[in-house]
Amino acid sequence: GDSVTQMEGPVTLSEEAFLTINCTYTATGYPSLFWYVQYPGEGLQLLLKATKADDKGSNKGFEATYRKETTSFHLEKGSVQVSDSAVYFCALKESGNTDKLIFGTGTRLQVFP
Amino acid sequence: DVKVTQSSRYLVKRTGEKVFLECVQDMDHENMFWYRQDPGLGLRLIYFSYDVKMKEKGDIPEGYSVSREKKERFSLILESASTNQTSMYLCASSKQGARETQYFGPGTRLLVL
Repeated sequence: GDSVTQMEGPVTLSEEAFLTINCTYTATGYPSLFWYVQYPGEGLQLLLKATKADDKGSNKGFEATYRKETTSFHLEKGSVQVSDSAVYFCALKESGNTDKLIFGTGTRLQVFP
Repeated sequence: DVKVTQSSRYLVKRTGEKVFLECVQDMDHENMFWYRQDPGLGLRLIYFSYDVKMKEKGDIPEGYSVSREKKERFSLILESASTNQTSMYLCASSKQGARETQYFGPGTRLLVL
């Protein structure tokens, strides 16, 4: 079945460092791809999404490009802040008639001043 | 803004008790979902509903049931709580469609003693 694989955490960075969190997927068809963020003690919030190949999602300085040839949707940010410390989840939604999301296991990011 | 609310942020129950977790959304979404979140396992789908009085099993439905009597409300029921159901429970809702975003509530942290 469809699945999402994320890099293991935690990822520990100093403020202003460059961030990459890897995400690859396995899917039949043409899924939509999402990044969600969970700040401490809160639920998940949509960070960005891309619904077709070569689309780039972006929000709050984060970006991710839907790469069908490498089945990847890596999350990047040029300069992280302490306030970006959170858990990041990659997810896919299958094409077709299902509205279910399939999540990766999450990657914890810790940013130190 | 979409708002998904959950009845409690924290709950403590005893083994064998019947537990109700309530979720309400205010955006007239057709779909509603219940997940549990555990460290190292990410989010796992328990049940979802795509219409009033309709429900479908997710990946881990055992020990749970759900009720959707009104479009805006989706309840998760633990018929007889057990210690292995100690977890964070997240509710989400979305419009129907493969490109639609799921919106999450703040979560209920349940401890079963």
